[in-house]
Amino acid sequence: GESVGLHLPTLSVQEGDNSIINCAYSNSASDYFIWYKQESGKGPQFIIDIRSNMDKRQGQRVTVLLNKTVKHLSLQIAATQPGDSAVYFCAETTGANSKLTFGKGITLSVRP
Amino acid sequence: GAVVSQHPSWVICKSGTSVKIECRSLDFQATTMFWYRQFPKQSLMLMATSNEGSKATYEQGVEKDKFLINHASLTLSTLTVTSAHPEDSSFYICSARPTAEKLFFGSGTQLSVL
Repeated sequence: GESVGLHLPTLSVQEGDNSIINCAYSNSASDYFIWYKQESGKGPQFIIDIRSNMDKRQGQRVTVLLNKTVKHLSLQIAATQPGDSAVYFCAETTGANSKLTFGKGITLSVRP
Repeated sequence: GAVVSQHPSWVICKSGTSVKIECRSLDFQATTMFWYRQFPKQSLMLMATSNEGSKATYEQGVEKDKFLINHASLTLSTLTVTSAHPEDSSFYICSARPTAEKLFFGSGTQLSVL
C-alpha cells in the first residue's frame, strides 16, 4: 500500500553544522506535508509544514523542501544545536481533515 | 501553537483492568480527534478517529470493543483500554486540529500493564 518512508534511521551531526533529514513518500495524491520532532517520552511537536503547491518553505532555522517530481521531502536545520537531538518524522495527508500518515522516523544526534 | 492536553502521562495497571486516557483541546474546539499508538523506536500508528457526537472510526485491525472511544464534547475525547493485557503496553498519543490541516499532539500516555 501507500507509505511514507525515510532513507536513514539515524543521523549524527556536529553541533553548529547543518542537518538534512530526508523523506520519501509514495502517495502521489498527498498535497500537504508536515515535519514533527519527538523527544523521548513526549508527543510529536509541530516543526513546519508545506503544501504541494510550494517547493520550499522557511521557518526559524528550519527549511522544508518538496520535490513532487521524485516524491521527496527534506528538512534542513541550520546551525544544529544539542536541543535539536530528537526523532524526526515526516507526515503526509491528502487534504483537509484527512488522516495523517507518518514515516518511520529518523533519530538526530548532535555531537558537542 | 494550539494546546492539546493529555492525561495521565503514565499509568501502571494490573492485567485485566481498564484504563481511561483523556484528551482535551484547551484553546480550540475539535469535532475530530485522533488516537495514535506508538511502540518503542517505531512510528505512530493511527488507531481511530474520534468524532464528536457520533461513533469513532477505527483503523483496520484495531478492536473497537477493546479500545473504547468517547467524544462527548467539542473539547474532550477519551480512550478506554478495556481488560488490558501486557501486549497493550504502549505509548498512546492523541491529536486534534484547530484548523483544517495542521495537527497538534498531546504529550502522550505511557501505559504499562503488569
